[in-house]
Amino acid sequence: EPEVTQTPSHQVTQMGQEVILRCVPISNHLYFYWYRQILGQKVEFLVSFYNNEISEKSEIFDDQFSVERPDGSNFTLKIRSTKLEDSAMYFCASSPGQGANYGYTFGSGTRLTVV
Amino acid sequence: AQSVTQPDIHITVSEGASLELRCNYSYGATPYLFWYVQSPGQGLQLLLKYFSGDTLVQGIKGFEAEFKRSQSSFNLRKPSVHWSDAAEYFCAVAYFGNEKLTFGTGTRLTIIP
Repeated sequence: EPEVTQTPSHQVTQMGQEVILRCVPISNHLYFYWYRQILGQKVEFLVSFYNNEISEKSEIFDDQFSVERPDGSNFTLKIRSTKLEDSAMYFCASSPGQGANYGYTFGSGTRLTVV
Repeated sequence: AQSVTQPDIHITVSEGASLELRCNYSYGATPYLFWYVQSPGQGLQLLLKYFSGDTLVQGIKGFEAEFKRSQSSFNLRKPSVHWSDAAEYFCAVAYFGNEKLTFGTGTRLTIIP
């Protein structure tokens, strides 16, 4: 069964450093998402991306965050200057179409630890 | 705004016993409802989903869920749990025209012998 692949599985970074989290969505999917889960809290929507543009973003997704699809396969989340509160599990997801009825496939996540 | 409530933070069940995990959603429109499972250190795996039609939906690993519009609920059930079912379970909702998933806070399931 096709999978969404995320790398690395765990990243430790110093506060103020830039990090890039990588995702390879399912090849024929067109819609891409990032969610995050702070330890012990609920999974929260960050951003959705389609046709090389952000289609929706949450209030969490401020100027420190950016997303990009640099080539035909990767989908990245960049945090420009990490803060301690950015420590979380970050999940990438993809979908073949727009709308919840198409369903979502999630990756296994990247655990980001900011020290 | 759409929201999901999972009133049980932690549930402990004996192996072989039945299970019901509660989920309530709030919003006016017809929801798209999902249950995901997260094993320790793992990602989110889809157990089942409801979009329309039969209100009792079957999922993987022997799970089922029933959509009850009158109660705004979408409870997850399993007739006999296995030790491998120990995990965190998340209910999520989305709506037509809005692809964003809103998750509940999760229910941690512990299985005892």
